Amino acid sequence: GAVVSQHPSRVICKSGTSVKIECRSLDFQATTMFWYRQFPKQSLMLMATSNEGSKATYEQGVEKDKFLINHASLTLSTLTVTSAHPEDSSFYICSASPDRQHQPQHFGDGTRLSIL
Amino acid sequence: LAKITQPISMDSYEGQEVNITCSHNNIATNDYITWYQQFPSQGPRFIIQGYKTKVTNEVASLFIPADRKSSTLSLPRVSLSDTAVYYCLVVGGTDKLIFGTGTRLQVFP
Repeated sequence: GAVVSQHPSRVICKSGTSVKIECRSLDFQATTMFWYRQFPKQSLMLMATSNEGSKATYEQGVEKDKFLINHASLTLSTLTVTSAHPEDSSFYICSASPDRQHQPQHFGDGTRLSIL
Repeated sequence: LAKITQPISMDSYEGQEVNITCSHNNIATNDYITWYQQFPSQGPRFIIQGYKTKVTNEVASLFIPADRKSSTLSLPRVSLSDTAVYYCLVVGGTDKLIFGTGTRLQVFP
């Protein structure tokens, strides 16, 4: 089955640090990947759509200069949280699906980001 | 986008069948219905997807009536490890997933 790998699984760092999270599709190509954020006891919130070879599309209220997305190849998208602050602490999850219509999204195992 | 409603929580006991119903009144013609399961601190895991009638796989069944305005996820003989949050989603042509609150299923011994 389709596998999505996310790295790192956990990050703890000081306020002001920039953190990069990688999302890889291991056995399929994905023109589009998605990034979500999830706070404790809440549902997943879509942050942005990552498009291979072009700019990401951000959801309303998500700062594109704060959350930099790069989708340089058909198997890798990265999310960089720039100058992270404690309020950015959250669970970040990516998803991707093979480039065929109506294929379900497959999710990475998430990255727990804790900003001190 | 289809507005989705599902129960906030459900309780069950091991060995019972659990049915979680989802309402999606304004589902579009091209939309599919997809269910995911999420354990704490993990990404959602795909369970099943369907368009109409009944779909069955090794872990669940999905029942969709003719008007497609609702769907029911059926989990046969649940175990303690089925305790999780279950999300019903309606997916259109953009593949963008919008998650609702989900249903928190608690299975007791």
